[in-house]
Amino acid sequence: DAGVTQSPTHLIKTRGQQVTLRCSPKSGHDTVSWYQQALGQGPQFIFQYYEEEERQRGNFPDRFSGHQFPNYSSELNVNALLLGDSALYLCASSSAGSLNSPLHFGNGTRLTVT
Amino acid sequence: GNSVTQMEGPVTLSEEAFLTINCTYTATGYPSLFWYVQYPGEGLQLLLKATKADDKGSNKGFEATYRKETTSFHLEKGSVQVSDSAVYFCALKDTDKLIFGTGTRLQVFP
Repeated sequence: DAGVTQSPTHLIKTRGQQVTLRCSPKSGHDTVSWYQQALGQGPQFIFQYYEEEERQRGNFPDRFSGHQFPNYSSELNVNALLLGDSALYLCASSSAGSLNSPLHFGNGTRLTVT
Repeated sequence: GNSVTQMEGPVTLSEEAFLTINCTYTATGYPSLFWYVQYPGEGLQLLLKATKADDKGSNKGFEATYRKETTSFHLEKGSVQVSDSAVYFCALKDTDKLIFGTGTRLQVFP
């Protein structure tokens, strides 16, 4: 049973560029959340997608956007990259129909902005 | 707003020593509480959880008890191993998202 898979594993971009990160949830999960983990910090919630809509959003600017597809996979897009966007981006999936369903995390995408 | 505070690391221990990593929280109501572990180069893995006051979560020799009186969820293990070296995150559930502490790095030496 495949867990949460993310691609790519590493990415280097230049300031001002745009980036797209991808996530496939664990089999049987329908909800995808994205987190940003800066070096030495805990993960910070970016947003959550369910039924192809953004259900909840953290304190991130509009440069951060996302999408969920009918097969529950998801993309995170970041426009006009800043040096401060360098971080590990984690995708987590869960099941909306399961009370207290724990989050399952992928191994993340390490984004470096130069 | 809701928040989680963890003791700063690194915590450095010899193999078979006793481990405590402190975690306190600020929250409205009684949220579910979690400990996640992150090994080098990997994502987060759920270690244990507690969903209500006085619950004890346990897994792989680790334990944590949900204490509403002290708003704490301290992680303990009686005898650590080198393989336990990792970063440990305390978290609470706020609606449908997790709020994490800053993490505590544990280093265990043989």
